[in-house]
Amino acid sequence: GAGVSQSPRYKVAKRGQDVALRCDPISGHVSLFWYQQALGQGPEFLTYFQNEAQLDKSGLPSDRFFAERPEGSVSTLKIQRTQQEDSAVYLCASSPGQSYGYTFGSGTRLTVV
Amino acid sequence: GESVGLHLPTLSVQEGDNSIINCAYSNSASDYFIWYKQESGKGPQFIIDIRSNMDKRQGQRVTVLLNKTVKHLSLQIAATQPGDSAVYFCADLLAGYSTLTFGKGTMLLVSP
Repeated sequence: GAGVSQSPRYKVAKRGQDVALRCDPISGHVSLFWYQQALGQGPEFLTYFQNEAQLDKSGLPSDRFFAERPEGSVSTLKIQRTQQEDSAVYLCASSPGQSYGYTFGSGTRLTVV
Repeated sequence: GESVGLHLPTLSVQEGDNSIINCAYSNSASDYFIWYKQESGKGPQFIIDIRSNMDKRQGQRVTVLLNKTVKHLSLQIAATQPGDSAVYFCADLLAGYSTLTFGKGTMLLVSP
């Protein structure tokens, strides 16, 4: 596609509910990143894929967070048993290579009530 | 003038002024730097980048300056327009890595 597409744009979840956030990267982009952005803060790294391989998940805040990219294109970030502190904007970015050309999606705003 | 808000430093300028947004990075091994613009409800949008083997790079109305000695990056916007109002982030990348690290951000407010 023309850009990185994320869905849903907004998600309200009750505390304890599981959520799944989707990212469609730019076609052909090898690298895919997930970031978490709290209100008034810069994006913070969560995890990184190169094709289907998850090469770095050091930023995932707890084992309730899980990400996958099974066919090396679309990625899903899953959060289990959501907590209020999970409320944030979740941004996805893709790039054609390892260290250039990053393009961000508009994000999914998750609110846990 | 420049002030520190609850979360973000804010720079307020008049339309037509030149704006300078500053950023400090912490890792001397960073070798690639990007400035992003983020408008409300949108993801970060690429503005300009610079590699560590350069100290200045110019784009359309924007210039990035890199001072590796003091680990400082700045973004200069010429003839600032109301459409430039947004939050600006710098991000850096360590050599051999793929993951960007973002700075805290500066909100730019441009008055007509």
